[in-house]
Amino acid sequence: AQTVTQSQPEMSVQEAETVTLSCTYDTSESDYYLFWYKQPPSRQMILVIRQEAYKQQNATENRFSVNFQKAAKSFSLKISDSQLGDAAMYFCASRGDDKIIFGKGTRLHILP
Amino acid sequence: GAVVSQHPSRVICKSGTSVKIECRSLDFQATTMFWYRQFPKKSLMLMATSNEGSKATYEQGVEKDKFLINHASLTLSTLTVTSAHPEDSSFYICSARRSLVSNEQFFGPGTRLTVL
Repeated sequence: AQTVTQSQPEMSVQEAETVTLSCTYDTSESDYYLFWYKQPPSRQMILVIRQEAYKQQNATENRFSVNFQKAAKSFSLKISDSQLGDAAMYFCASRGDDKIIFGKGTRLHILP
Repeated sequence: GAVVSQHPSRVICKSGTSVKIECRSLDFQATTMFWYRQFPKKSLMLMATSNEGSKATYEQGVEKDKFLINHASLTLSTLTVTSAHPEDSSFYICSARRSLVSNEQFFGPGTRLTVL
């Protein structure tokens, strides 16, 4: 069974600043993937970043990077130089056996 | 990138009627499609997984007779909400995966169902 926990229902960050969203997970799979998805007001799910569990190097996509701590089962998302367009719900997710399971989400507000 | 469409984007129906939602992969063949349900300000809850040509696998607590899923082709899956009731009102999102070994999953834009 997989579980994904996001303990921050909401967060705010000043524009141009850096913010970190937390996520912990649990899985019995030895081979799995972790994701961060963004859901803007349009409700379209957008993949932000993906991490293969077997890779030790943290994934990076432009202003988005993760801190993957496998032993601690932690997978946080760092957004640098926050922009107004980053305002959205962010879901942490894991894929182990065959399906993607989502956390409850963190609503990110960007303060101008 | 891969595109997944859903139709309709919004539907309003009367209680007791059935509603069909279509999910199509537009530029790739999807061996597996997933259906999620999202309540307002909540997360996506996986309802079922369907593989082309076989019966869908439902998550615990999801009524298979209530939510009929058909994955008749590699580009189309349908979700039919039978005898809809107001508590079925929700946002339904489908997702498609290219192959059994692919870790990429593409999401449709969702369908908002309102049952009066």
